[in-house]
Amino acid sequence: KQEVTQIPAALSVPEGENLVLNCSFTDSAIYNLQWFRQDPGKGLTSLLLIQSSQREQTSGRLNASLDKSSGRSTLYIAASQPGDSATYLCAVKGWDSNYQLIWGAGTKLIIKP
Amino acid sequence: DTEVTQTPKHLVMGMTNKKSLKCEQHMGHRAMYWYKQKAKKPPELMFVYSYEKLSINESVPSRFSPECPNSSLLNLHLHALQPEDSALYLCASSQVDQGYGEQYFGPGTRLTVT
Repeated sequence: KQEVTQIPAALSVPEGENLVLNCSFTDSAIYNLQWFRQDPGKGLTSLLLIQSSQREQTSGRLNASLDKSSGRSTLYIAASQPGDSATYLCAVKGWDSNYQLIWGAGTKLIIKP
Repeated sequence: DTEVTQTPKHLVMGMTNKKSLKCEQHMGHRAMYWYKQKAKKPPELMFVYSYEKLSINESVPSRFSPECPNSSLLNLHLHALQPEDSALYLCASSQVDQGYGEQYFGPGTRLTVT
């Protein structure tokens, strides 16, 4: 059974720092992995989706990598800003289901001005 | 346009009320989803519609009744809810081909059951 873990649960860093958020999964047979951002009480915003055949995806200051063999994905945020403060969730889709996402519990990120 | 809209933003209802949540997307997606999210938890899948037909019901109580009137609209009818049903209800959509692709979420409806 696939399990997804995000460590740490919370992270606080000064503005301007580059940072890395981690997502680990137990079964390497994934179809894709998606990173989301959620502001308090709001919906989820899709940040990046990485297909199983890809090693990384980039969007602006965000870069997501995928290493299936080690069961890890990282989300790199460059030059962090207070507006990046949010909860970041990763979700994995396996080959055995067209719809089911297996979610991590999220990392709550606080960027201090 | 990658927007999924949901109405209302907030809803307070008594346990004897009947209400409906609405979701709309115009991305041409033929898969639509309802999720429930409790505070500090990831979303939990409730229902999946594929080509306007219910394909997945994750053992959701019958007091929640989904409806997909057309390819752009998804409703969730609520009746005789319990206080523990209070949560953020999220709608999402995705393509059906290419393994159901990337899911796009709406802003959610914050539901409080009194």
